[in-house]
Amino acid sequence: EVQLLESGGGLVQPGGSLRLSCAASGFTFGNYAMGWVRQAPGKGLQWLSSINESGGRTYYADSVKGRFTISRDNSKNTLYLQMISLSADDSALYYCAKAITVTTAACDYWGQGTLVTVSS
Amino acid sequence: QSALTQPRSVSGSPGQSVTISCTGTSSDVGGYNYVAWYQQHPGKVPKLMIYDVTKRPSGVPDRFSASKSGNTASLTISGLQAEDEADYYCSSHGGGKYVVFGGGTKLTVL
Repeated sequence: EVQLLESGGGLVQPGGSLRLSCAASGFTFGNYAMGWVRQAPGKGLQWLSSINESGGRTYYADSVKGRFTISRDNSKNTLYLQMISLSADDSALYYCAKAITVTTAACDYWGQGTLVTVSS
Repeated sequence: QSALTQPRSVSGSPGQSVTISCTGTSSDVGGYNYVAWYQQHPGKVPKLMIYDVTKRPSGVPDRFSASKSGNTASLTISGLQAEDEADYYCSSHGGGKYVVFGGGTKLTVL
């Protein structure tokens, strides 16, 4: 059974940093691209970043480019999202998700999400 | 501000069919065959319903179908059921932006 378990969310002050983790199991992690998507309360889905199978290619939404860094450790079956310079606009539920195939960014498995709250 | 445009809401009665549109540009929807559709019930995780414009993941009922014409993709749900009431999001490969989402459509089953 595929499982994605996010962690690392919490309350952080404006300007602060957080590192989110996503522990994967139930599939060959290193064979799939992965991504992060967030959803602010009552709002829609917002794609943030994706990373290819090896970790050699990364992609970012304009709104987080330069502030967020996606990475993965295939030996630990773990995906990461390093976030800096956080603002209230970054408050949201952050999901990690697995791409369904090697050719598409569509995601067939999602974690339950980890909540990030940016507030003083 | 979402990159792909979806109607805010649609509705239909049980047994009817509804179609949700998703309009982008030639740089995303029109330029790639990588449109996906997600269903999200309140408080739940998004569920992939369609990928690569028309493909259904295993377990998704064939009542859900999709297509694309030019810069507009569409999701059609036939034989509407109460459990289909949810928010639906389209997404597309967006070239340099890689992935873009629509703003979401709330489907109400009357």
